[in-house]
Amino acid sequence: GAVVSQHPSWVICKSGTSVKIECRSLDFQATTMFWYRQFPKQSLMLMATSNEGSKATYEQGVEKDKFLINHASLTLSTLTVTSAHPEDSSFYICSASSPTVNTEAFFGQGTRLTVV
Amino acid sequence: AQSVTQPDIHITVSEGASLELRCNYSYGATPYLFWYVQSPGQGLQLLLKYFSGDTLVQGIKGFEAEFKRSQSSFNLRKPSVHWSDAAEYFCAVGRRTGNQFYFGTGTSLTVIP
Repeated sequence: GAVVSQHPSWVICKSGTSVKIECRSLDFQATTMFWYRQFPKQSLMLMATSNEGSKATYEQGVEKDKFLINHASLTLSTLTVTSAHPEDSSFYICSASSPTVNTEAFFGQGTRLTVV
Repeated sequence: AQSVTQPDIHITVSEGASLELRCNYSYGATPYLFWYVQSPGQGLQLLLKYFSGDTLVQGIKGFEAEFKRSQSSFNLRKPSVHWSDAAEYFCAVGRRTGNQFYFGTGTSLTVIP
């Protein structure tokens, strides 16, 4: 199956700094990528949908200025958590869809963000 | 609006026993349905999916699920659980166009020897 890779797997940052998380589709072109957030022992909540070359669509309640999403190429999307605070600590997972398999998305392994 | 409900937050079963994890969905059209498994600190692994056709679908690791339209359910089953099946299980519904998923709250499975 198709492979989606996230980097880093985990990151610790100081409060007030920004953190960038990368999501790459390794062996297919992903026209659409999705970013999810998972709080401890809770489900995954969709944050935003990004299409290559256009602005991301954010779900209600997600601050677009806080969570910057860029999908500059068909194999890379980035999520930048700006001015991170401890409440931003979470598990972030991306998924990518391929136009050749448009009924399935492939998930990255996730990124554990801890803001201290 | 679409939603997915997993009524059981946590289930404990003995190794070798059968397992059924419940999933109910609310969707405006015929849904695409999925079951994913997540080990601690890991991403999601697809167990199985239903798009159309045979309502009983087979997945990896000996799992199966049955789509029942009349009950809006997509329950996951396994006849004999192994200790390695202990994990978090998520049911999800996807849109017919695109791959935006809506997840249930998950069911945590504990397997006791």
